Amino acid sequence: ELKVEQNPLFLSMQEGKNYTIYCNYSTTSDRLYWYRQDPGKSLESLFVLLSNGAVKQEGRLMASLDTKARLSTLHITAAVHDLSATYFCAVDEGGGGADGLTFGKGTHLIIQP
Amino acid sequence: EPEVTQTPSHQVTQMGQEVILRCVPISNHLYFYWYRQILGQKVEFLVSFYNNEISEKSEIFDDQFSVERPDGSNFTLKIRSTKLEDSAMYFCASSGEQYFGPGTRLTVT
Repeated sequence: ELKVEQNPLFLSMQEGKNYTIYCNYSTTSDRLYWYRQDPGKSLESLFVLLSNGAVKQEGRLMASLDTKARLSTLHITAAVHDLSATYFCAVDEGGGGADGLTFGKGTHLIIQP
Repeated sequence: EPEVTQTPSHQVTQMGQEVILRCVPISNHLYFYWYRQILGQKVEFLVSFYNNEISEKSEIFDDQFSVERPDGSNFTLKIRSTKLEDSAMYFCASSGEQYFGPGTRLTVT
């Protein structure tokens, strides 16, 4: 059974600081997703990482994937309050298509002004 | 920009009643999915659907659940006899790259 573990599960940080959220998974996969969820809302796709060594950046967020270590990171640079949300990583074990995603428990991020 | 849509946004039903949740996936996508999220918990895969049949389903997707694509655009999730523990957000997604709809909040009383 595929396990996806995120840490930390809860993070409170100040604006302007940098931090990294980690996502470990238990099986071989080269397809990993990061989503953002605001309270009561749907899942907003942030990044899709499709190969070992993939790195993608959007604004203050950067995601990377190391398939050999079975690890993805989401790095936040100079955090701002608007980035407060819950962030989920999700792994596609099947390589795209039939298999659904297995999600981590999410990282609840609060950024204090 | 194309998006996944879902109706209704909120459904309240009594235990034992049947509910149908509706989704319109992105038109050129081939795979469709249902997920659920119990309040405050992680998102859980229910079922995937391709070429008019179920591709994969999780342990959660028992005989109480069924999916259908009744026409060329809609994709439905039916819960035959709702239980209290079915209360959750239900998300439809389509792929491509697993774009999620806005969700239906199901409350079973």
